[in-house]
Amino acid sequence: AQSVAQPEDQVNVAEGNPLTVKCTYSVSGNPYLFWYVQYPNRGLQFLLKYITGDNLVKGSYGFEAEFNKSQTSFHLKKPSALVSDSALYFCAVRDNTNAGKSTFGDGTTLTVKP
Amino acid sequence: NAGVTQTPKFRVLKTGQSMTLLCAQDMNHEYMYWYRQDPGMGLRLIHYSVGEGTTAKGEVPDGYNVSRLKKQNFLLGLESAAPSQTSVYFCASSLTIFYEQYFGPGTRLTVT
Repeated sequence: AQSVAQPEDQVNVAEGNPLTVKCTYSVSGNPYLFWYVQYPNRGLQFLLKYITGDNLVKGSYGFEAEFNKSQTSFHLKKPSALVSDSALYFCAVRDNTNAGKSTFGDGTTLTVKP
Repeated sequence: NAGVTQTPKFRVLKTGQSMTLLCAQDMNHEYMYWYRQDPGMGLRLIHYSVGEGTTAKGEVPDGYNVSRLKKQNFLLGLESAAPSQTSVYFCASSLTIFYEQYFGPGTRLTVT
């Protein structure tokens, strides 16, 4: 069975500081990893993904994530946080043995303070 | 492109009533999904489909049924609503498993 863990319910950072939102996963086959962001009363929006290739993936709004196979992690990062980055962030995984099924983490609320 | 649309946006049901939520996508995506979102529990997969005419169970399928008679539509049915089904329901679609999911705006369902 596949699973995703986001160990922090809440992450607080000051504007201009770097941010990290953590994600670890478990799958049977090759992992396909995704980050999404959700603003209040909205659907989820895609930020970035890792399918294969370079372990460092760059995405929308200056976000990036590093795939670490040995630690089964896919942490989301941004060098300099903005107040507008405050939102709920979800990590998700699929694998090539599970025909399309997606599993999401419980989400991490990011708050960036001015 | 409208993307992924959901109908209705809000609904209040009494226990035991039935209803159908409609999801439509105009991106010719093969895969479609229904999730429910509850506070502190992230998104949980109810049912999904990997192509027209196919459906499969997700993590929390009990009390729900689905159909995908047309590629662009994915219907979620509640035959006999229960208060435990009070939630926000999201539909999503993707081209294949290698591509991101596109989400609809959600349906807020309250069962009293």
